[in-house]
Amino acid sequence: AQSVTQPDIHITVSEGASLELRCNYSYGATPYLFWYVQSPGQGLQLLLKYFSGDTLVQGIKGFEAEFKRSQSSFNLRKPSVHWSDAAEYFCAVGRRGSGTYKYIFGTGTRLKVLA
Amino acid sequence: GAVVSQHPSWVICKSGTSVKIECRSLDFQATTMFWYRQFPKQSLMLMATSNEGSKATYEQGVEKDKFLINHASLTLSTLTVTSAHPEDSSFYICSAGTGATGELFFGEGSRLTVL
Repeated sequence: AQSVTQPDIHITVSEGASLELRCNYSYGATPYLFWYVQSPGQGLQLLLKYFSGDTLVQGIKGFEAEFKRSQSSFNLRKPSVHWSDAAEYFCAVGRRGSGTYKYIFGTGTRLKVLA
Repeated sequence: GAVVSQHPSWVICKSGTSVKIECRSLDFQATTMFWYRQFPKQSLMLMATSNEGSKATYEQGVEKDKFLINHASLTLSTLTVTSAHPEDSSFYICSAGTGATGELFFGEGSRLTVL
């Protein structure tokens, strides 16, 4: 069965430090992969997505992610974290079914940024 | 990018009443819409897939008689929580896609509080 795992429930980093959020997926075919960010009480904002092609994907707000098929991973990175990056981050895999795409979300990683 | 809007953003109702939440695709036609439920500090749980002009497909464990979904047009899907009870209090998020690509666009979410 398809699944998405985000091993880290909480992560705390200092402002200015680098960040890496882990995401592993289980999917039989080439997946569509996404990272979303959610601030408290808000909807989801797409940070970046991978459909095909270059395995290093650039997103908004200085984020990037790398698709590694051999490791079934799609980790999110940012070289220098800002206090405004504190939020919940969700990794998702899109799977095709009946002509549409369903998203399966990971459990999320809550990022705390120390001043 | 494509915009999906939900209304209302917040709703408070008495136990036993029914509440309707609307999900609209503002600048594209959505052949498929999805409804998610999110408990506090948890991930998004897919409730159902709504296809325009046909019955919704519910995920296992979701009561279709409790959560009525209607997708009468290519730009509107509604979720009605019938005979709401406090345990139905949650954050409900919709997403919409055209089916042409794997990308879904998410609404801002609707927070339901049942007293």
